Amino acid sequence: GIQVEQSPPDLILQEGANSTLRCNFSDSVNNLQWFHQNPWGQLINLFYIPSGTKQNGRLSATTVATERYSLLYISSSQTTDSGVYFCAVPSGANSKLTFGKGITLSVRP
Amino acid sequence: GAGVSQSPRYKVAKRGQDVALRCDPISGHVSLFWYQQALGQGPEFLTYFQNEAQLDKSGLPSDRFFAERPEGSVSTLKIQRTQQEDSAVYLCASSFSLASYNEQFFGPGTRLTVL
Repeated sequence: GIQVEQSPPDLILQEGANSTLRCNFSDSVNNLQWFHQNPWGQLINLFYIPSGTKQNGRLSATTVATERYSLLYISSSQTTDSGVYFCAVPSGANSKLTFGKGITLSVRP
Repeated sequence: GAGVSQSPRYKVAKRGQDVALRCDPISGHVSLFWYQQALGQGPEFLTYFQNEAQLDKSGLPSDRFFAERPEGSVSTLKIQRTQQEDSAVYLCASSFSLASYNEQFFGPGTRLTVL
């Protein structure tokens, strides 16, 4: 099956700093989603981005499908950005998602 | 409601008990997925439905796990004779259709603790 790798595994930032989170995947995909899992366990949809670039406030994402990676940018980080960030892609023609192991972000005041 | 809902949010079971976890998908979404998330890991696929048909149950860890969606909307994940290794968060997701390019939306999860 498809492999998904996220890096770095952990990230500690001072409030106001910028960061880049990376997601590599082993096969071509027609869907890629970024999620933020808050401290209560809820998976919040950040981006649906099979290719190209999208922006939503302080967050933006870019997927380069031909090179099999996606980047999530967080600018001017806030303590509320803390949590675990997952990327996920479908397994082949099947729509079940394969998740990376996640990136744990801690933003300190 | 506007989003995917799940109940209960928390469940504590004694080893050997049966449990039932409920998922209400977004209205109009024909596809429904169940995932299991162990502590410190990413969610892992269990099973999915298109309407009432269970099309893939390859991720169910044992025959103690059973899922149904009899009327094509609400789904129930049942775990019989729970074991400690079943302790995890169970997440439900729905999407407009089964096509792999469709975005999935997740519920808040049910945290199951087996003592």
